[in-house]
Amino acid sequence: DVKVTQSSRYLVKRTGEKVFLECVQDMDHENMFWYRQDPGLGLRLIYFSYDVKMKEKGDIPEGYSVSREKKERFSLILESASTNQTSMYLCASNRQGSLKGTQYFGPGTRLLVL
Amino acid sequence: QKEVEQDPGPLSVPEGAIVSLNCTYSNSAFQYFMWYRQYSRKGPELLMYTYSSGNKEDGRFTAQVDKSSKYISLFIRDSQPSDSATYLCATARAGGTSYGKLTFGQGTILTVHP
Repeated sequence: DVKVTQSSRYLVKRTGEKVFLECVQDMDHENMFWYRQDPGLGLRLIYFSYDVKMKEKGDIPEGYSVSREKKERFSLILESASTNQTSMYLCASNRQGSLKGTQYFGPGTRLLVL
Repeated sequence: QKEVEQDPGPLSVPEGAIVSLNCTYSNSAFQYFMWYRQYSRKGPELLMYTYSSGNKEDGRFTAQVDKSSKYISLFIRDSQPSDSATYLCATARAGGTSYGKLTFGQGTILTVHP
């Protein structure tokens, strides 16, 4: 059974704090993705990674960075959290060259920045 | 203008109704079309996948793609309360990278009441 796990389901942080969101997949997938999901806006891609230490900006990378030191782990970093980063964050993964469309998602982390 | 547009609803129907969910897209390069279902407090899961134009049926669900009008549809027959969820359409380009990068619609919130 495929599995993508995220380190926290709910997080409350203060403005200016550094925030780490972690994602781990156990499917040996090459590609990993970070999205944020907001009402009326759907899923928007923040960053993705196609290999260890490789990363590409998505549609909304401003205010975020990522780290991929191991194949199974992809971290999203908010260097200085702001209230407009309050959102649901979703991690996903898939295999390189796989049937296009099959991304496996984690349960999400709901982040509140006060 | 977003590359993929989806009416966010919400949509409320009685049990047994036929549900029609729709998206439009603007980029002719999109060749792969998917529907994801997301239950409350969960990550999205792939529901249906189609390549290029045509219909695909899976039980009570039918996915339809009309590339000439850039229109994507999902039909649910004999809808059940367990179908209550957010439905997200998504698209992917053919060729290019094999990263499996998706572009999502805003999602439609569906409630099926007994």
